[in-house]
Amino acid sequence: GQNIDQPTEMTATEGAIVQINCTYQTSGFNGLFWYQQHAGEAPTFLSYNVLDGLEEKGRFSSFLSRSKGYSYLLLKELQMKDSASYLCAVSDRDYKLSFGAGTTVTVRA
Amino acid sequence: GAVVSQHPSWVICKSGTSVKIECRSLDFQATTMFWYRQFPKQSLMLMATSNEGSKATYEQGVEKDKFLINHASLTLSTLTVTSAHPEDSSFYICSASAGEETDTQYFGPGTRLTVL
Repeated sequence: GQNIDQPTEMTATEGAIVQINCTYQTSGFNGLFWYQQHAGEAPTFLSYNVLDGLEEKGRFSSFLSRSKGYSYLLLKELQMKDSASYLCAVSDRDYKLSFGAGTTVTVRA
Repeated sequence: GAVVSQHPSWVICKSGTSVKIECRSLDFQATTMFWYRQFPKQSLMLMATSNEGSKATYEQGVEKDKFLINHASLTLSTLTVTSAHPEDSSFYICSASAGEETDTQYFGPGTRLTVL
């Protein structure tokens, strides 16, 4: 089976930086996705990594190390609206997505 | 671009009835659509994968006769929960990808089903 681990909760202050780690063990690898999900809503796409390294997109960056089975999502200049659940999802050898349980980020003023 | 809609957004039904949920890709043709279920404070669990014009592929433990999936066109897939029971109450989310299976999945807004 697939095993994807990420912290359950994180709290940070408005304007700060938060890093959400994700480790995975899957049957094959065809890329790693990060999604944002607000309560009661569907996930929205944030980033995709298939090669090692850092992908930067505005205030959000995502890093991947395939040899370590590790990724992180970096959120900079936190805003109140960034309070949400962040899902790490891995595409396996059959191109199916397996999701982690999600990290709930709470941004405080 | 890459907008996916779902209808209805929420539904309440009596035990034993059937409920149909529609998933549409509004501005692209979706070769593959996926159906997920999410229970409160849990992650998304893939139920089935459907390709236009062919039978859906169900994940282990998902009853294909209970969760009927039809992917009749490149922009529409439907999930029918047959003979729904309270334990089927959940958040059902579809996603669609435009081309190869490696393409990003774009999610619909979800349908909250409550079975009384």
